[in-house]
Amino acid sequence: DQQVKQNSPSLSVQEGRISILNCDYTNSMFDYFLWYKKYPAEGPTFLISISSIKDKNEDGRFTVFLNKSAKHLSLHIVPSQPGDSAVYFCAASALNRDDKIIFGKGTRLHILP
Amino acid sequence: NAGVTQTPKFRVLKTGQSMTLLCAQDMNHEYMYWYRQDPGMGLRLIHYSVGEGTTAKGEVPDGYNVSRLKKQNFLLGLESAAPSQTSVYFCASSPGPNSYEQYFGPGTRLTVT
Repeated sequence: DQQVKQNSPSLSVQEGRISILNCDYTNSMFDYFLWYKKYPAEGPTFLISISSIKDKNEDGRFTVFLNKSAKHLSLHIVPSQPGDSAVYFCAASALNRDDKIIFGKGTRLHILP
Repeated sequence: NAGVTQTPKFRVLKTGQSMTLLCAQDMNHEYMYWYRQDPGMGLRLIHYSVGEGTTAKGEVPDGYNVSRLKKQNFLLGLESAAPSQTSVYFCASSPGPNSYEQYFGPGTRLTVT
């Protein structure tokens, strides 16, 4: 079963507009959520995270929102820039899981000029 | 600091051949991980280690073995390669307990013919 779901394989957004990437999870034990960004031929790099005790975390142009009741999180990028074109992975972890994190399948974001 | 490095970057194997992928990190991290990434499948955990001399199975361990003889190195072995093991392999490390952020290497692209 897929515990972390990214239902949109790809997303295209105009440069300067807002990009919203969505993620759903099924395991109520998850207490920490992360977003990773991946360029072609490179390893994923950490972007932003949020603990389950918060509902929002902001870092520059990137904001992650967490809705625990809906088991849903989203990543907002404002304004979108060409360098944001990449694959974004949503990931989740729970206490006592040896710090294993479960990744979603990823969403490919295309920023259009 | 080099961070997480992986050797080799590319490899082509024939079915039944064996090989070892090497991961090295210079951040003194306790935890290390091996993932595989396949199209449409996201990142799936193969094996992981929570310290020198320890290893544990992840989500897709069959056909792979690992060893963590030194803290800085984590080896992934394929004893008898199969075409289903054609993938991009990523190594990652993290500082240790309750540190959810993982640092990834650049990946190894393996093709089994």
